[in-house]
This record gives sequence, C-alpha cells and structure tokens, in this order.
Amino acid sequence: GQNIDQPTEMTATEGAIVQINCTYQTSGFNGLFWYQQHAGEAPTFLSYNVLDGLEEKGRFSSFLSRSKGYSYLLLKELQMKDSASYLCAPWDNDYKLSFGAGTTVTVRA
Amino acid sequence: GAVVSQHPSWVICKSGTSVKIECRSLDFQATTMFWYRQFPKQSLMLMATSNEGSKATYEQGVEKDKFLINHASLTLSTLTVTSAHPEDSSFYICSATDGSYNEQFFGPGTRLTVL
Repeated sequence: GQNIDQPTEMTATEGAIVQINCTYQTSGFNGLFWYQQHAGEAPTFLSYNVLDGLEEKGRFSSFLSRSKGYSYLLLKELQMKDSASYLCAPWDNDYKLSFGAGTTVTVRA
Repeated sequence: GAVVSQHPSWVICKSGTSVKIECRSLDFQATTMFWYRQFPKQSLMLMATSNEGSKATYEQGVEKDKFLINHASLTLSTLTVTSAHPEDSSFYICSATDGSYNEQFFGPGTRLTVL
C-alpha cells in the first residue's frame, strides 16, 4: 500500500503564506500531484512535479524531493477563497493516484 | 482544457435497487478512467481502474460483482452500484487520462444516497 502523510489542519490569515508538507512512500514513482478540493466538490488540479525542485504557478508553488519522498505546496498571498482541503497525491508505477487524507486550510480575515 | 462530465450529479434511491453513473470525457479520448469513492471528511479512495475495451482492475476490498464497471468506448465509462445499501451512500468521482500521463482530469462527482 501507499503511505502519505500531511497535516490535518492549518489556519492562516488573509495575505499570509502557508506551506503544506507531504511525505510519501509508494510502489514506484511517476510524479506527484497537488489538488484543491472544496467541500462537496471534486478535486481540481493545482500542480504536478516529476523532477526535483520548485514549480511556480502564480500564487501557488510546489516542491519535490524524490530522494526524501517529500513535497510541499506553498500558498502565497492567501485569499478567503483558498479555504479548502489540499490533497497530496503521488503517482505510482501503475499510474494510480493515491491520495493523502488532505490538509484543511482555513483562511481568516 | 480537458473536460470530464458525470451524470447524474446526485441520486437518491431505495435500498436494493441498482444505480448507474456515467463518466464522459468531452473533448479528448480517455484511454484510462479511474473510479474513486469519498466518504465525508475522508480522502478519495481508488476503487478501480478502467481501460477501454478491457476488464476493470479493482482495488483490494472492492467487490467487483457489486460495482460493475464498463468502459466500452474511449469517451465513456459507467459504474453500476448493484443492490445498493445505505452503506454505499458516498461521493463517487471519476477521472480520466488521455494516455500522456501528465494529468488526470476529474469529473464533478456524483453524490449517491441510499435510503
């Protein structure tokens, strides 16, 4: 099976920066996704890392270290609409996604 | 961008009935589709992987006779929950990939409530 570990909850104020860490162990590795999921909705794609390093996309950045089995998602200039669950999902050798339990981020004014 | 639709978006049924959920890729050919289930406040759990024209591969613990999956074309996969019971009430989400394997595109999900 796959082991994916990320914090359960994080709270931050509007305009702040939040870093969500994720550690994983998978049967092979073909990249790692981060998804955002609002309550009652399907996940939406945020980022995909397959090589080590930082991928920046506007306010969201994602980092990967394959040797450490570690990734983080960085959310900058937090907005109220960023309140959601953030899912770390590594892709294994069979191109199956395994999802972590998700980190619920609450943005306060 | 790639769009995946699901139908219905929600369904309520009586215990013992069967429910069919459709997953369609609208603007690309989906060589592989995945079916997930998500219970409240839990993460998505992969139920099965479906390749066009072949039998689905089910994850451990998922009853293939209860959750029938058909992937008859490159744009359509269906999940039928047979003889549904209240414990099958959940959020069912499909995703699809075009074979390039750099993203999975998720459908909007189907909320099933079994009375």
